[in-house]
Amino acid sequence: AQSVSQHNHHVILSEAASLELGCNYSYGGTVNLFWYVQYPGQHLQLLLKYFSGDPLVKGIKGFEAEFIKSKFSFNLRKPSVQWSDTAEYFCAVTLSGGYNKLIFGAGTRLAVHP
Amino acid sequence: DGGITQSPKYLFRKEGQNVTLSCEQNLNHDAMYWYRQDPGQGLRLIYYSQIVNDFQKGDIAEGYSVSREKKESFPLTVTSAQKNPTAFYLCASGGSGELFFGEGSRLTVL
Repeated sequence: AQSVSQHNHHVILSEAASLELGCNYSYGGTVNLFWYVQYPGQHLQLLLKYFSGDPLVKGIKGFEAEFIKSKFSFNLRKPSVQWSDTAEYFCAVTLSGGYNKLIFGAGTRLAVHP
Repeated sequence: DGGITQSPKYLFRKEGQNVTLSCEQNLNHDAMYWYRQDPGQGLRLIYYSQIVNDFQKGDIAEGYSVSREKKESFPLTVTSAQKNPTAFYLCASGGSGELFFGEGSRLTVL
């Protein structure tokens, strides 16, 4: 069955530190990949997505993610985090084409301290 | 404004009672979804619908029911058969995997 693994459940960083959140998926076919973010008290929103083309995708607020097909990975990165990045981050995957259900990872809760 | 509207935001229910959560979208999306969010477990798919009058079970459909009589609406009923209904429920709509989410409904069973 299709699944998504996020290896870090809780991450604590100081402001200006670099961030990398791991995401691996288990599916051998063509996939679409997503990172969603849920800020405290807010609804889930799309951070960035990969459908095809350049495997390094840039999203909002300085985030980027790299798709490495050979490693089935789609890690999220940010060179310098801010206190406002405190949130829960979810990696998700769906099969390419048509209306397909989105499978989410368990989420990573990030806390950034001033 | 376009978006997904869920109601109620907070709901309390006694054991043995059914409860229906509302989800309305004005984004003209064909597909709608219900997810359940529990701490440390991410979002798990309950039901989804790709078109009016059609829906499919997700990974944790037991104890839940849905209907899709209109494109804009996809209500979820949490029945008394759901053994652990206390959770945060998220409705979404979209296509080709990119989803837009509502603000969620938090259900607490007393």
